Formats: sequence, C-alpha cells, structure tokens
Amino acid sequence: DGGITQSPKYLFRKEGQNVTLSCEQNLNHDAMYWYRQDPGQGLRLIYYSQIVNDFQKGDIAEGYSVSREKKESFPLTVTSAQKNPTAFYLCASSPDRDFDGYTFGSGTRLTVV
Amino acid sequence: AQKVTQAQTEISVVEKEDVTLDCVYETRDTTYYLFWYKQPPSGELVFLIRRNSFDEQNEISGRYSWNFQKSTSSFNFTITASQVVDSAVYFCALSEGVAFTGGGNKLTFGTGTQLKVEL
Repeated sequence: DGGITQSPKYLFRKEGQNVTLSCEQNLNHDAMYWYRQDPGQGLRLIYYSQIVNDFQKGDIAEGYSVSREKKESFPLTVTSAQKNPTAFYLCASSPDRDFDGYTFGSGTRLTVV
Repeated sequence: AQKVTQAQTEISVVEKEDVTLDCVYETRDTTYYLFWYKQPPSGELVFLIRRNSFDEQNEISGRYSWNFQKSTSSFNFTITASQVVDSAVYFCALSEGVAFTGGGNKLTFGTGTQLKVEL
C-alpha cells in the first residue's frame, strides 16, 4: 500500500543534541512538507520541498534543517538551536498536479529530556 | 495573508446528537481550496473533503455534510447522529489556488476543534 512512513513514533532528545526525524513516501509525490503541531496552535509549516535537491523555508524554519536527496525521502533535523523542540511533527506529501490535499504520515512525537 | 479561524476549541456532545464545527477563512485569492481533516488519537491526519472556491454546492457523505458559503467566508462541517468514533480533532485548512512553481501547495490550517462524543 502506498503511503508515508515516519519514524520513530516517539523520540527523546537531550538538551544540546541534534536529532533527525525520518519521512519516506512511496506515492511518487513530488512535493513534501514538514509541519509542527503544538496544543492549541494547529499545524505550522517548517519546510517544504517541491523537487529533489530543492527546499524552501516555511513559517517557522529557525532551528531546523532538511535535505531532499531522493524523491522518496525528506528527513528533518531538529538542531540544538531550536529552543523549544518538544512537539508533534507531521510529514506530508502531495502530487505536483491535481492538488487534492496532503497525504500525512502518522507523526513523530519529540520530547526534550 | 491567508488565515483560517476555528473558534470552537472543544465541543462535547452526547452520542446521536448533531454537531456543527465552524470554520471561517480569509484570503485575497479568487481561486482557492478548502479542506477538512480528521485527527484521531493515533495522530495521523485523515482527509475528509476538498472544496474549490467555484463550487458552492453543499456536500453530503453519509453522516457528514459541509456547508460552503462564500458570502460569509465559511466552510462549516456537520456530523449528524454523532458516534463515539467521531471523537477526534478536526482541522479546517485553506490553500492557494495557484500551485507553487514546480508543484505542491501550501496549506494554512486552523487551530482545530476537539470533538468529544460521549455515551
């Protein structure tokens, strides 16, 4: 079955550490996105990528980095510069034509300990 | 700038009651899309509906119905005869009608409405 796989489901990070969240899709979608969800704030766009080897900052990109070396993969690194990284992170993808909304992964819950 | 407002933070109903979730949006685009997503406790957002700005017909899908009114910039969602399985967070979202160059669209989400359906 086609879909988006995010791993791990739960992640714990110590202060000062970088961590990388994985996102893989087998839907042959060109565009991929990372959103952050905090209680009461909805979803906010961190980064998006329209094609391989290209990505753009979203509304809250500070403290995060991404790469898009393969069409199927769009990993997100939460760096030590992100002051409040504890949140639920959702990856999504969409086709380049006939936009019909996103397909979402099941999310990664990141907690700083 | 685009904006989506879901003023209802949390709604509690008893099973079999009807419930309406409100969504008000702001955009300067004449072409745009509106969406509703459901987020159950598992976390994954599930697509419910897409409506484009040129189609104001109401949509019904089983117990779900949507009322799109451009005059009031609203896209409300009604669940008829609610069930416990409807308990989730529901998000309304808006996207620009013109895709990013190269593909994809940015979705702007509301803050969500937590629906609790009790026996």
